[in-house]
Amino acid sequence: GAGVSQSPSNKVTEKGKDVELRCDPISGHTALYWYRQSLGQGLEFLIYFQGNSAPDKSGLPSDRFSAERTGGSVSTLTIQRTQQEDSAVYLCASSPWGSGGYNEQFFGPGTRLTVL
Amino acid sequence: AQSVTQLGSHVSVSEGALVLLRCNYSSSVPPYLFWYVQYPNQGLQLLLKYTTGATLVKGINGFEAEFKKSETSFHRTKPSAHMSDAAEYFCAVSVIGGNKLVFGAGTILRVKS
Repeated sequence: GAGVSQSPSNKVTEKGKDVELRCDPISGHTALYWYRQSLGQGLEFLIYFQGNSAPDKSGLPSDRFSAERTGGSVSTLTIQRTQQEDSAVYLCASSPWGSGGYNEQFFGPGTRLTVL
Repeated sequence: AQSVTQLGSHVSVSEGALVLLRCNYSSSVPPYLFWYVQYPNQGLQLLLKYTTGATLVKGINGFEAEFKKSETSFHRTKPSAHMSDAAEYFCAVSVIGGNKLVFGAGTILRVKS
């Protein structure tokens, strides 16, 4: 079956603009995660969704970052007033269920964001 | 809080040689441990995981990893490297009831012919 998909694959934007990144998880997966991968910071957790609710937003770096999930499926990560330090690859992952720690997370190919 | 340390940001081996990728973790509760691989411009793929039970975990392509609680390690080995093993490898930890993975900084494996 289809894996996790993300769009766009690449996004170039100007400093100060808003961007939206989309994630389509594997069908039926209730848990969805966003991570950021950047030089010097490695892979960082951003936010976790269980269904449509986000019980853990602890990784969002500032209030310019927000995310939502609708219908227990598609998720959108929004970055407002982008800054150059937001440049990174944003990875989305999903798993069949959430809390448990041992659940395999299936990753999408990522969106490479470049802020000029 | 959990953390992961991967010793060696770059590892270079000759084709056919032993591969050892090191991973040490810190966790105040029993961990779940994972190894992921990332090829250029691709997402992460799970290779191995330890949850409970047997401490020696075998994956595909001859890789295996051993959980050693006394050493807080989850090193990954392969007896004979192949050119196709060249990639970046990430060790990650989670805990029971947890909802996120904490990753190490990654190790880029280069295989020389």
